[in-house]
Amino acid sequence: DVKVTQSSRYLVKRTGEKVFLECVQDMDHENMFWYRQDPGLGLRLIYFSYDVKMKEKGDIPEGYSVSREKKERFSLILESASTNQTSMYLCASSLTGQGGGYEQFFGPGTRLTVL
Amino acid sequence: DAKTTQPTSMDCAEGRAANLPCNHSTISGNEYVYWYRQIHSQGPQYIIHGLKNNETNEMASLIITEDRKSSTLILPHATLRDTAVYYCIVRVLVPMEYGNKLVFGAGTILRVKS
Repeated sequence: DVKVTQSSRYLVKRTGEKVFLECVQDMDHENMFWYRQDPGLGLRLIYFSYDVKMKEKGDIPEGYSVSREKKERFSLILESASTNQTSMYLCASSLTGQGGGYEQFFGPGTRLTVL
Repeated sequence: DAKTTQPTSMDCAEGRAANLPCNHSTISGNEYVYWYRQIHSQGPQYIIHGLKNNETNEMASLIITEDRKSSTLILPHATLRDTAVYYCIVRVLVPMEYGNKLVFGAGTILRVKS
């Protein structure tokens, strides 16, 4: 079974703090994603990566950065946390070209609260 | 990606089949139909996907109409643990460097009752 793990289920940080969210997958997937999920807004893509050291902006990259130094690990960084970054953060990974489908496998999520 | 329409909520008796409909009347020929679900406080879980043929796996069956304008996800024997929000997504696959993001709508809240 594909396993995607995230470093924390719940996190509370203060405004202005630097926040690191870690994601690790154990199935040698090329592609990794960071989403945030907010009530009424659905899932929104922040950043994705299709190879080590490669990163691409998603729909809402402002205020975030990412790092992918190893294939299995994709980190999301909030350089200076703000209250509007309070959200559920979801990491996902996928293979490329899996029988025409690119199903994504998700981690359990990190619920981040910024005070 | 084509827009989808799903009922807001559905109830199903435990042990019975749950049939979740999805309309995607503007789907184009190269768009796949995907289903995910999200159990409360967990990450989304992939269920099944298809292009035009019906598909079955250990979790569910996907029935796509011949004109591909609608589909139905079937959970053959629903259990209480199947209570979740079910998302129908229609998407075209592009090279990864252009992103293959998932766009979830509101989905259908399925409540399985004993």
